[in-house]
Amino acid sequence: ETGVTQTPRHLVMGMTNKKSLKCEQHLGHNAMYWYKQSAKKPLELMFVYNFKEQTENNSVPSRFSPECPNSSHLFLHLHTLQPEDSALYLCASSQHGLAGTDSYEQYFGPGTRLTVT
Amino acid sequence: AQSVTQLDSQVPVFEEAPVELRCNYSSSVSVYLFWYVQYPNQGLQLLLKYLSGSTLVKGINGFEAEFNKSQTSFHLRKPSVHISDTAEYFCAVSWGTGGSYIPTFGRGTSLIVHP
Repeated sequence: ETGVTQTPRHLVMGMTNKKSLKCEQHLGHNAMYWYKQSAKKPLELMFVYNFKEQTENNSVPSRFSPECPNSSHLFLHLHTLQPEDSALYLCASSQHGLAGTDSYEQYFGPGTRLTVT
Repeated sequence: AQSVTQLDSQVPVFEEAPVELRCNYSSSVSVYLFWYVQYPNQGLQLLLKYLSGSTLVKGINGFEAEFNKSQTSFHLRKPSVHISDTAEYFCAVSWGTGGSYIPTFGRGTSLIVHP
């Protein structure tokens, strides 16, 4: 595997279900991100992890719970979601924070298309 | 707060015609600039970036962009588009020294290439 992978690619869940999205980056980066992309809306940054520490949480509802066990893996745990949470969830990674190694650009996975029924 | 504006939500163009997608941002202090492309059912892919140096930047698939500090713009251009260029294009800006490395994205421009 190369780049950033996400599983599953598609997910349909009921409002009472619990599920998790997985992201893995094979680029040796130290920062990872979750974004939400809804139709007709701008890309929304949800969470940022840098060296496994959460550095950003953009007022995301508690029904979304991130987990970053190491700098290669990122999870988004979902429970009691609402229909308006249906969207494409994108994971990204980048290299930042180490002198001389910053690349600044983000590398994105293909996304998980989530439908909440 | 810093902002990124993509002036056109949709740009229709005929195949082999030139195209320009516009991007403006709110502050010119030490910026890093990016254009990403998103094809249907895929994630975003980097087209090109400006970090420093020459203000004209060349990217993949024949695209180029020019950094204009005085106008705080970073417009994307291609001299002759193909049907396969139909996609969503996002401009992104990181405010460098002293700022956050996390980019701010524009709302996106949908490029529609007609035969």
